[in-house]
Amino acid sequence: KAGVTQTPRYLIKTRGQQVTLSCSPISGHRSVSWYQQTPGQGLQFLFEYFSETQRNKGNFPGRFSGRQFSNSRSEMNVSTLELGDSALYLCASSPTDRGAETQYFGPGTRLLVL
Amino acid sequence: AQSVTQLGSHVSVSEGALVLLRCNYSSSVPPYLFWYVQYPNQGLQLLLKYTSAATLVKGINGFEAEFKKSETSFHLTKPSAHMSDAAEYFCAVTADTGRRALTFGSGTRLQVQP
Repeated sequence: KAGVTQTPRYLIKTRGQQVTLSCSPISGHRSVSWYQQTPGQGLQFLFEYFSETQRNKGNFPGRFSGRQFSNSRSEMNVSTLELGDSALYLCASSPTDRGAETQYFGPGTRLLVL
Repeated sequence: AQSVTQLGSHVSVSEGALVLLRCNYSSSVPPYLFWYVQYPNQGLQLLLKYTSAATLVKGINGFEAEFKKSETSFHLTKPSAHMSDAAEYFCAVTADTGRRALTFGSGTRLQVQP
């Protein structure tokens, strides 16, 4: 099976813009989670979706949003970008209802905000 | 709330020496604990996980970890380091009773000297 894929892999934006990142889970996986990784804050949970429903959300401002489609693919959106949003955004998929127990991570999208 | 603390942001060992990476957790519910490895410019790869079965958990690449409830620890060990083990290692705990999100430690960068 193909692994978790994330597009694009690299992205450069300027402050104030918005960005959409995409994640395709492993075939058959219905749970998708997103994490932000920065040198200062480390790895932080953003949100988790299962069957198109957001079940869990981390402590991030409302500028961060996401959704999941019927084919389990997921997107996350960041509006009004700030310099501090520069990070590696990781997506993970899981074959189980309890997503965190068995997560497979994608390679990430590296976002640079100038 | 659950949390993990990784002692030592950088660990350096000689090739062939014992690897010991420390992780202590705090959890108000029985935790599930994980060790992930991240190579440069890549996502996270699961090394091993504790899910309340055997307290000594064996993972990939010769790594193992022991869950010690009395010490609230889940240290990662490998008897003999290899150059290819150089990477960043993250300890994580499920952050909610639904096991839908992970809380990560700050990471330990392992350097292996020839």
